[in-house]
Amino acid sequence: GESVGLHLPTLSVQEGDNSIINCAYSNSASDYFIWYKQESGKGPQFIIDIRSNMDKRQGQRVTVLLNKTVKHLSLQIAATQPGDSAVYFCAENFYGGATNKLIFGTGTLLAVQP
Amino acid sequence: DVKVTQSSRYLVKRTGEKVFLECVQDMDHENMFWYRQDPGLGLRLIYFSYDVKMKEKGDIPEGYSVSREKKERFSLILESASTNQTSMYLCASSPQTSYGYTFGSGTRLTVV
Repeated sequence: GESVGLHLPTLSVQEGDNSIINCAYSNSASDYFIWYKQESGKGPQFIIDIRSNMDKRQGQRVTVLLNKTVKHLSLQIAATQPGDSAVYFCAENFYGGATNKLIFGTGTLLAVQP
Repeated sequence: DVKVTQSSRYLVKRTGEKVFLECVQDMDHENMFWYRQDPGLGLRLIYFSYDVKMKEKGDIPEGYSVSREKKERFSLILESASTNQTSMYLCASSPQTSYGYTFGSGTRLTVV
């Protein structure tokens, strides 16, 4: 079956640097993508989303880029802070029967070094 | 503050026990989901429900069942717990017309 995957399972960055977390997806019919952040002991929290008719979307310190040609999604975090240390998941949406369902990647651990 | 609440953070159960994991949301969402999360495997969908008394199998329903008698509550049932069901279980909900999920904090279940 089709699935969402991540290139790097662990990313270590220095505080203040920019972070880039990558994700490859394989379902060309997916129309919506989300990035979630999961801190230790907590459930995933929504960070930012993007629809398939967009190439880029910016939030506060975060930017998501979508390249449909190569089926690639990335999350950029500017001026990474210790509080950004977490596991980051990308997810793609497809319509599965009666409702929308998200398929999640395996996650990337972002470790911010002081 | 809107919430998805899972009744237990940690549970330890014996092999063969019947286990109930409870999830309640206060956002009047139509859709509710149960996932399990394991290292290296990410989040895998067990069951979901898009309405009261409605349920659909996800990717890994074997060994599990669910119940949705009220809109706000979605229960995951392990009929006869086994050690391979030791995992983190995450509940989520979403409105019918929206893609965004709100997750609970998770229940870490250990079956011994």
